Amino acid sequence: DSGVTQTPKHLITATGQRVTLRCSPRSGDLSVYWYQQSLDQGLQFLIHYYNGEERAKGNILERFSAQQFPDLHSELNLSSLELGDSALYFCASSVPGTSGRGSTGELFFGEGSRLTVL
Amino acid sequence: GENVEQHPSTLSVQEGDSAVIKCTYSDSASNYFPWYKQELGKGPQLIIDIRSNVGEKKDQRIAVTLNKTAKHFSLHITETQPEDSAVYFCAASIWNSGYSTLTFGKGTMLLVSP
Repeated sequence: DSGVTQTPKHLITATGQRVTLRCSPRSGDLSVYWYQQSLDQGLQFLIHYYNGEERAKGNILERFSAQQFPDLHSELNLSSLELGDSALYFCASSVPGTSGRGSTGELFFGEGSRLTVL
Repeated sequence: GENVEQHPSTLSVQEGDSAVIKCTYSDSASNYFPWYKQELGKGPQLIIDIRSNVGEKKDQRIAVTLNKTAKHFSLHITETQPEDSAVYFCAASIWNSGYSTLTFGKGTMLLVSP
């Protein structure tokens, strides 16, 4: 058990709909990363939040957005869903980094949320 | 941005054999190279990592080598066991002040037959 909790585990919805995926990081971790895993693209980085602030953006579509709340949990919002958005969405957290102090680089992944768009 | 290529996509070995997975990266500024193992129904889990100031690192049956000049790194698993069967991902990043956005390869499915 990595200590990272993701809900829901499975989600089936229709094209055009909107869903919210939730992530609770490990206790004390300030960084939250979102990744999308599909069969043909592997693990694609979407976005990184640190202590409530967006730190880096990857291949995240404009239809997708994320935020990190004061209690450090994070939500990934996916809207106007298309068939191609069907994938596993992973959240990962890491030890907070302050000039590298206390941070090893290791990401702790949750078990993912499997989204199926019909 | 960084691009990581990983080969092979699938690898089948007999129990006790060695397995080697290779990755190349494109950004010469990358300095952190972890390997993750993903078992069925689970999230990826770090198994070993290497930083650009060393050429090789070993942890029991697992070893990773890094060639900065050629921009490639490899995972070596010796004396494979059925429980080593999983998908393995290599990744690369620029490690800077505690933050690291990993770029992953597409993964290698390793099957170890008893």
